[in-house]
Amino acid sequence: AQSVSQHNHHVILSEAASLELGCNYSYGGTVNLFWYVQYPGQHLQLLLKYFSGDPLVKGIKGFEAEFIKSKFSFNLRKPSVQWSDTAEYFCAVNDGGGYQKVTFGTGTKLQVIP
Amino acid sequence: DTAVSQTPKYLVTQMGNDKSIKCEQNLGHDTMYWYKQDSKKFLKIMFSYNNKELIINETVPNRFSPKSPDKAHLNLHINSLELGDSAVYFCASSQSSEKLFFGSGTQLSVL
Repeated sequence: AQSVSQHNHHVILSEAASLELGCNYSYGGTVNLFWYVQYPGQHLQLLLKYFSGDPLVKGIKGFEAEFIKSKFSFNLRKPSVQWSDTAEYFCAVNDGGGYQKVTFGTGTKLQVIP
Repeated sequence: DTAVSQTPKYLVTQMGNDKSIKCEQNLGHDTMYWYKQDSKKFLKIMFSYNNKELIINETVPNRFSPKSPDKAHLNLHINSLELGDSAVYFCASSQSSEKLFFGSGTQLSVL
């Protein structure tokens, strides 16, 4: 069974600081990888996704993530965070098979201090 | 136009009651899901339907019964509600292995 680990549960940064959130997954086959964001009081929205090709993917709002197959990792990065980035961030993996079972990590709460 | 809509947004009820949450998507997707998000924000899949057929049924108590009258709707009925059922329930839909589109959530509080 697939699983996703996010090691940072709560991250506090000042505005303009750089961000990197860790995500590791466990699955032996082909995977599709996602980062979702949940702003306070809102539903989840897709930030970016990786299916194949260039392992460095760029998403909305200046976020990017790098897929490193050898490390089973898909870390999320942003060079300079803003107060509006305060949210919960979820890494997710889909086994890409016929049944689209998406497994989410436990989430990382990002708090950006003005 | 709301892509995935679920009602109600808030649901407060007593233990032992039976309640339903409705979900509709207008995206033409074949697959719909129910996820439960607990107080620690952990998201866990409960069910998934593909073209009205149940394809994923995680270890969810039998008190939870999904129903999909057509591929655009996936409702969730919960019998004999318990305190531990308090959570936010998200409906979602997707097409193939593409991204999930989430509803705005139903915050269920069992007293």
